Amino acid sequence: AQKITQTQPGMFVQEKEAVTLDCTYDTSDQSYGLFWYKQPSSGEMIFLIYQGSYDEQNATEGRYSLNFQKARKSANLVISASQLGDSAMYFCALLSGANNLFFGTGTRLTVIP
Amino acid sequence: EAQVTQNPRYLITVTGKKLTVTCSQNMNHEYMSWYRQDPGLGLRQIYYSMNVEVTDKGDVPEGYKVSRKEKRNFPLILESPSPNQTSLYFCASSFSPGTGLFPQPQHFGDGTRLSIL
Repeated sequence: AQKITQTQPGMFVQEKEAVTLDCTYDTSDQSYGLFWYKQPSSGEMIFLIYQGSYDEQNATEGRYSLNFQKARKSANLVISASQLGDSAMYFCALLSGANNLFFGTGTRLTVIP
Repeated sequence: EAQVTQNPRYLITVTGKKLTVTCSQNMNHEYMSWYRQDPGLGLRQIYYSMNVEVTDKGDVPEGYKVSRKEKRNFPLILESPSPNQTSLYFCASSFSPGTGLFPQPQHFGDGTRLSIL
């Protein structure tokens, strides 16, 4: 069975600081993908970054990076230089099988001015 | 502009009154999917479609129907809505189904908030 765990219901970070959002996963598949999505208060789901299980280098997209530790089954999202607009819910998701995304329960990030 | 468009964005209706939520994408994506989001549960997949005329159940398909007659459209049908289907619904699409070896990011619509009284 596939499972995604986000243990931090809420996080606070000072503006311009970096923050790490935790995500651990469980899967019996050898090949899989890990994704992060952002959901602002307006409700839409915004794709941020992804990592394939065979990618040796951690994925990076602008201020977002994915700290992938395969042996520990973790795929943490790092946001550098936080901005007020980063305040949102963040979801980690595991790709398995026929592109079925399994989502965690999310982490609410609040950026403090 | 590449996008996934859902309609309506908001709907309040009553138990038993059939409704359809439309979803359309303009990116020529093969794969489309419907999710529902409920507090504390994250997003759960309802149905997905690998291509035209190919649909399959996700994790929570009970009470829903879908069809994929054209590549761009993937409507979600609630034949007899009930209050436990009150939720935030998302349609998503990706270029191909994707695999763990070649993951494909799914692009989401803006969501449809359904309230069933």
